[in-house]
Amino acid sequence: QVQLQESGPGLVKPSETLSLTCIVSGVSIRTYYWSWIRQPPGKGLEWIGYIYYSGSTNYNPSLNSRVTISLDTSKNQFSLNLSSVTAADTAVYYCASGGGKHDYWGQGTLVTVSS
Amino acid sequence: EIVLTQSPGTLSLSPGERATLSCRASQSVSGSYLAWYQQKPGQAPRLLIYRASSRATGIPDRFSGSGSGTDFTLTISRLEPEDFAVYYCQQYGSSPTFGGGTKVEIK
Repeated sequence: QVQLQESGPGLVKPSETLSLTCIVSGVSIRTYYWSWIRQPPGKGLEWIGYIYYSGSTNYNPSLNSRVTISLDTSKNQFSLNLSSVTAADTAVYYCASGGGKHDYWGQGTLVTVSS
Repeated sequence: EIVLTQSPGTLSLSPGERATLSCRASQSVSGSYLAWYQQKPGQAPRLLIYRASSRATGIPDRFSGSGSGTDFTLTISRLEPEDFAVYYCQQYGSSPTFGGGTKVEIK
């Protein structure tokens, strides 16, 4: 049974870097692509980017300059860094399997950007 | 970037009725790489349909998807109480994008 679990700070100050980790269980991270998706409160879904186990990445062009996704195969997890955050980055952040269709999702973690 | 426009924004129906949700793309979706998700309050989205018309594992056959090119449809043949939720389409033929969602509410 594939499970994903996000972890990281729930509060980040403006201009700082948001960092989240997704721990994957039930399958090796050396399969599939792995994605981050976010959802501002009361709004729709926004794709952030994905990584393949080889390390190749693809990011949303609107976030490209601020996003880094990396993976740690030894811990079976992958991570998101989003730099220079503003209030507009406040959202529930989801990790998910796949680079296209997403069969498995984490429960999501709310990150608020505020001083 | 491919922009997906979902309509209607809200659909008010009764249990047992048929729901038809539309997703229109600003340009052709390569390979019909179009997915549909269901999201209930406080929950992560759940994959329903991929490749425009293939049901994901465990999805009841009252959910069906159709379409190609720029026009896609999700149909729920007979609404069950648990089907009232928000539905999103997503294209993944190029850099992925999501539609704005359609809320299916109880009339």
